[in-house]
Amino acid sequence: GENVEQHPSTLSVQEGDSAVIKCTYSDSASNYFPWYKQELGKRPQLIIDIRSNVGEKKDQRIAVTLNKTAKHFSLHITETQPEDSAVYFCAADPPPGKLIFGQGTTLQVKP
Amino acid sequence: DGGITQSPKYLFRKEGQNVTLSCEQNLNHDAMYWYRQDPGQGLRLIYYSQIVNDFQKGDIAEGYSVSREKKESFPLTVTSAQKNPTAFYLCASSILTEDQPQHFGDGTRLSIL
Repeated sequence: GENVEQHPSTLSVQEGDSAVIKCTYSDSASNYFPWYKQELGKRPQLIIDIRSNVGEKKDQRIAVTLNKTAKHFSLHITETQPEDSAVYFCAADPPPGKLIFGQGTTLQVKP
Repeated sequence: DGGITQSPKYLFRKEGQNVTLSCEQNLNHDAMYWYRQDPGQGLRLIYYSQIVNDFQKGDIAEGYSVSREKKESFPLTVTSAQKNPTAFYLCASSILTEDQPQHFGDGTRLSIL
């Protein structure tokens, strides 16, 4: 069945270091891969997304890479700050028009 | 996103009671979704709807029901058949084309009395 695996489940880094979160998906028909950030008790918010026609996308300190052949994609956060601390979810969109979410990664950035 | 409103923010259910969670959007989105989130867990899809008067079951539909009588509204009823309803419920909407993000409401936290 459709599945998205996300690793690691928790990640602790020092302020200023980089953080990398990885996801793999099962359905090769997936073409859209968003990343969401969720602070405690709040709504998930889209931070970056990538479509299958590109291999990498950057937005300031955040980047996402996609390897369609291997069916995995990754989130990279550089120069981490304490306000980056949150739960991050990856997702993939196998047809017909729904998102499958990973289990989430709790990122802690230590000052 | 200010365009999706969920109410109430907190809800308490007694044994044997049905409760309804409201979700309204003014983004003119065709598709709407309901997710359940348990502590430390990801988002699990309960139901989704891509058009008025039509909806599909997600991965955990048992014990829940929905309706989509208007494009703007997608209420979720947690029935008494759902034996473990305590969770954070999130509603989302999106444009009905491929490769589009979902936008979430602020959620409703449901607890058992």
